[in-house]
Amino acid sequence: DAKTTQPTSMDCAEGRAANLPCNHSTISGNEYVYWYRQIHSQGPQYIIHGLKNNETNEMASLIITEDRKSSTLILPHATLRDTAVYYCILSGNYGGSQGNLIFGKGTKLSVKP
Amino acid sequence: KAGVTQTPRYLIKTRGQQVTLSCSPISGHRSVSWYQQTPGQGLQFLFEYFSETQRNKGNFPGRFSGRQFSNSRSEMNVSTLELGDSALYLCASSFTGGGYEQYFGPGTRLTVT
Repeated sequence: DAKTTQPTSMDCAEGRAANLPCNHSTISGNEYVYWYRQIHSQGPQYIIHGLKNNETNEMASLIITEDRKSSTLILPHATLRDTAVYYCILSGNYGGSQGNLIFGKGTKLSVKP
Repeated sequence: KAGVTQTPRYLIKTRGQQVTLSCSPISGHRSVSWYQQTPGQGLQFLFEYFSETQRNKGNFPGRFSGRQFSNSRSEMNVSTLELGDSALYLCASSFTGGGYEQYFGPGTRLTVT
């Protein structure tokens, strides 16, 4: 089972920031927070990941709380092409064997004009 | 750099038949993971191969199998197809596998009639 909890759906106005929350209260010390998204009928796309520091790349920013029990993915200026299902996933090194990705149901983000 | 490619993109098979799907990872990537996506169960991990060895396996029956070749290309096979095997099959490649950034292909849409 997925170890993260996300809202089922969210709406965002085009051009505004989209803030997608994720709860992961049972996160282990060696687990990273990963974000992927899946645009309809395409394969998932990697967005960003982090351990405990905030991260930013050309696509998004990731804010992780100090206790690491929750995080927020921020799309600074959402466009219609950002409409997708966004998955928050925990993954790390489990006893020397790399973990697989366990997808939950994600958040369906709808960006509206 | 070319992305992950999967062949065929669409496939229709009859119950009881078997099917082989192919995945070519990004050049230099040694890990290939396979996932099944259905409307009811979402994205589920099937197995992961790294350097021609199965390193992780999900909770699927033995009818689902895979292999990886020395050039990192991977195939998955499903024998004795059932109607419930109709799904989008996705493969993902990464440099080391597991929790690190995975790059997904477009998937193979399998329909079992």
